[in-house]
Amino acid sequence: EAGVAQSPRYKIIEKRQSVAFWCNPISGHATLYWYQQILGQGPKLLIQFQNNGVVDDSQLPKDRFSAERLKGVDSTLKIQPAKLEDSAVYLCASSPITSAHEQYFGPGTRLTVT
Amino acid sequence: DQQVKQNSPSLSVQEGRISILNCDYTNSMFDYFLWYKKYPAEGPTFLISISSIKDKNEDGRFTVFLNKSAKHLSLHIVPSQPGDSAVYFCAALSGGYQKVTFGTGTKLQVIP
Repeated sequence: EAGVAQSPRYKIIEKRQSVAFWCNPISGHATLYWYQQILGQGPKLLIQFQNNGVVDDSQLPKDRFSAERLKGVDSTLKIQPAKLEDSAVYLCASSPITSAHEQYFGPGTRLTVT
Repeated sequence: DQQVKQNSPSLSVQEGRISILNCDYTNSMFDYFLWYKKYPAEGPTFLISISSIKDKNEDGRFTVFLNKSAKHLSLHIVPSQPGDSAVYFCAALSGGYQKVTFGTGTKLQVIP
């Protein structure tokens, strides 16, 4: 069974530029999560999708971050414009709809904003 | 407001000994607790979980204990192996959509 795929693995941009991350969850997993992990901290949930609907985006900075999950499968997370404090690893995870505790994570995208 | 806390940023243990990783929480509405393990440059991997209605769950070398009155859980690894060296995150689930809140992590080093 293929795992959660993310791309790119690394990205360096200047502040005020825009960036997009892509995630392909495990086949059949209805729930998809985007987390931000700043160095030395635990992952922080940015947005949670169930199929193609958003169920939690309370910690997503909506003035600059946006995410979509078209057709309930792949998802993209966009930052526009980026700030220095957005430097972090962005993790995508997926889980079956009945087992939220069994989240499977992708390798993450390390973003550096200079 | 840090609802899930791991107060020890790092821990060193000799191979073969017991590793005990601790976690405290503040939200009594959490209904499931999890431990994840993370190697460098990889995403976290699920290790073991425990429901809030239980006080112990065991899976091979890994045992999680839950003390609800103290709002405290711990992960025991016996015996510890060098391959267990990683960052361990405590996490908790709450709400109808099972939102996961992570702690800050504890870096475990198992010394051969």
